[in-house]
Amino acid sequence: AQTVTQSQPEMSVQEAETVTLSCTYDTSESDYYLFWYKQPPSRQMILVIRQEAYKQQNATENRFSVNFQKAAKSFSLKISDSQLGDAAMYFCAYRTQGGSEKLVFGKGTKLTVNP
Amino acid sequence: NAGVMQNPRHLVRRRGQEARLRCSPVKGHSHVYWYRQLPEEGLKFMVYLQKENIIDESGMPKERFSAEFPKEGPSILRIQQVVRGDSAAYFCASSPSRGRTEAFFGQGTRLTVV
Repeated sequence: AQTVTQSQPEMSVQEAETVTLSCTYDTSESDYYLFWYKQPPSRQMILVIRQEAYKQQNATENRFSVNFQKAAKSFSLKISDSQLGDAAMYFCAYRTQGGSEKLVFGKGTKLTVNP
Repeated sequence: NAGVMQNPRHLVRRRGQEARLRCSPVKGHSHVYWYRQLPEEGLKFMVYLQKENIIDESGMPKERFSAEFPKEGPSILRIQQVVRGDSAAYFCASSPSRGRTEAFFGQGTRLTVV
């Protein structure tokens, strides 16, 4: 079974600085997707960025980028120019290609942004 | 993703009562997933449904929990004879098809069992 591990329960960053959230996963499959979701206090799950395993190029969405290391099964999220609105829980998730395509989530990292 | 509507947002039930959680997917989406989030935890998969069919219920507890997604109307997650351990946030996500598409989440229903 696939597992997702986020080793940092909490992280903090100064406003305008850069922070990196770690995620590792375990799978025997070769084709899959990886996601980072943001969950603010409102509880809404917001998709931040996604990466397709067959693509070598790291995904980027504005201030958010990933470092995808397929061989190491690592998928870290970098947030540049951090803003107060970035404060939230961040969840890394894995999804198979095929089958029920359910998401497997890590336990999350709570990000605090200090003004 | 604001198109996935879950209600109620908050639900309080006494032990032994039934809880019914509703999920209206994005219009045109025929795939629905339910997830449960316990305090301080990530979301855990419960069940995957397509219209009128349960496709994968490997994450559902064997007793007291059931789910449906009828041809007409919302998807329902039903918990019978609730216990304190059922207190959690329950999320619904929908997608238009399988394959290289993402799922959109609702805002969740927070169930509190007293």
